[in-house]
Amino acid sequence: DIQMTQSPSTLSASVGDRVTITCRASQSISSWLAWYQQKPGKAPKLLIYQASSLESGVPSRFSGSGSGTEFTLTISSLQPDDFASYYCQQHNSYPITFGQGTRLEIK
Amino acid sequence: QLQLQESGPGLVKPSETLSLTCTVSGGSVSSSTYNWGWIRQPPGKGLEWIGNIYYSGSTYYNPSLKTRVTISIDTAKNQFSLKLSSVIAADTAVYYCARRPGHFDYWGQGTLVTVSS
Repeated sequence: DIQMTQSPSTLSASVGDRVTITCRASQSISSWLAWYQQKPGKAPKLLIYQASSLESGVPSRFSGSGSGTEFTLTISSLQPDDFASYYCQQHNSYPITFGQGTRLEIK
Repeated sequence: QLQLQESGPGLVKPSETLSLTCTVSGGSVSSSTYNWGWIRQPPGKGLEWIGNIYYSGSTYYNPSLKTRVTISIDTAKNQFSLKLSSVIAADTAVYYCARRPGHFDYWGQGTLVTVSS
């Protein structure tokens, strides 16, 4: 199985900050990586697919990069609505696996 | 607009079988472009992929659950279903259904299933 490791597990930041979340795969997954945002009591929402493609309707302050084993999700200027949990997910091979999540909280 | 809706019992007894259905509207489960998946999330924890089914009926399951999981598809009703047998307390989770062109682009709202006597 491909293990997905996110860092940090928790991130404290302020409105307007630029933040980066990292996701590392235990083996190469090419660009088959997605990022999701999840708010309490809600289903995950797709933000980024194929490592760097922005899902329709997602604000352009979200961006993704990377390939192979190392990936990043960047939020260029944090907005109040962005405080949530974030998950990466690989679909290069079965079983599909998720990172353990990053909780983005207000400093 | 595509919508997915999970349905099924919210309480299941230990050792029994959890059964959920996902009803798809605004799209077809018969599409060859997509496959359909189940994901779960125990309270306060992360996401765990359970399995996928293709329109043809081909399935892929998480090895950690494979001996207990069955996913099926009903194209006439535009639904797909999950059965998880011999449940234990650790199977208590919010269960989501989702559409998958690779990543998961549309999700149901999720349904909490509690395993308890």
